[in-house]
Amino acid sequence: GAVVSQHPSWVICKSGTSVKIECRSLDFQATTMFWYRQFPKQSLMLMATSNEGSKATYEQGVEKDKFLINHASLTLSTLTVTSAHPEDSSFYICSATGSTLETQYFGPGTRLLVL
Amino acid sequence: DQQVKQNSPSLSVQEGRISILNCDYTNSMFDYFLWYKKYPAEGPTFLISISSIKDKNEDGRFTVFLNKSAKHLSLHIVPSQPGDSAVYFCAASRDGGSNYKLTFGKGTLLTVNP
Repeated sequence: GAVVSQHPSWVICKSGTSVKIECRSLDFQATTMFWYRQFPKQSLMLMATSNEGSKATYEQGVEKDKFLINHASLTLSTLTVTSAHPEDSSFYICSATGSTLETQYFGPGTRLLVL
Repeated sequence: DQQVKQNSPSLSVQEGRISILNCDYTNSMFDYFLWYKKYPAEGPTFLISISSIKDKNEDGRFTVFLNKSAKHLSLHIVPSQPGDSAVYFCAASRDGGSNYKLTFGKGTLLTVNP
């Protein structure tokens, strides 16, 4: 149980385009979802926390207009990287948790490369 | 400011021996700690956790020790197996973990040699 999927697993895009990443909880209702970014040999950095049906809470230094998060249902959250630039290239990971779970469960991650 | 530190970027151990992964934290408000295991190009997988009211938690081959006064925790894996080779992340949370926000260390790459 507690399976989280992400799509796509990797994406290459041109600078200036927008990219949408989906995060789904497959076998539980995710009341809270988190989006992380990981640079090579660095820790996972929390970008934002989203609760179903409400606006996401962004961590300090994360541009909310740059990284749009939507958590419209209890099983789906999306992260849209708008007007992507090469410095946005990173590994993006989502996690989810629900009222019956003791911790977060992570998706497999999405590798984004912006050319 | 790195609030959760894993000072060893890598560790190499022989199969069957004990692996000890260390983690230090600076924020005294942290009261719930977790270890995650991560393979390349995959998301982290939860391994084991410990609340600050305990000093030890054991689950099979994995044991986590917490020394609150030293703000230090460690993960012991015994016996180590080649399949344990992965990056191990230490994470910390406040409010007993109820708010679910995690602060991660940079990870330690464990290699278990056959």
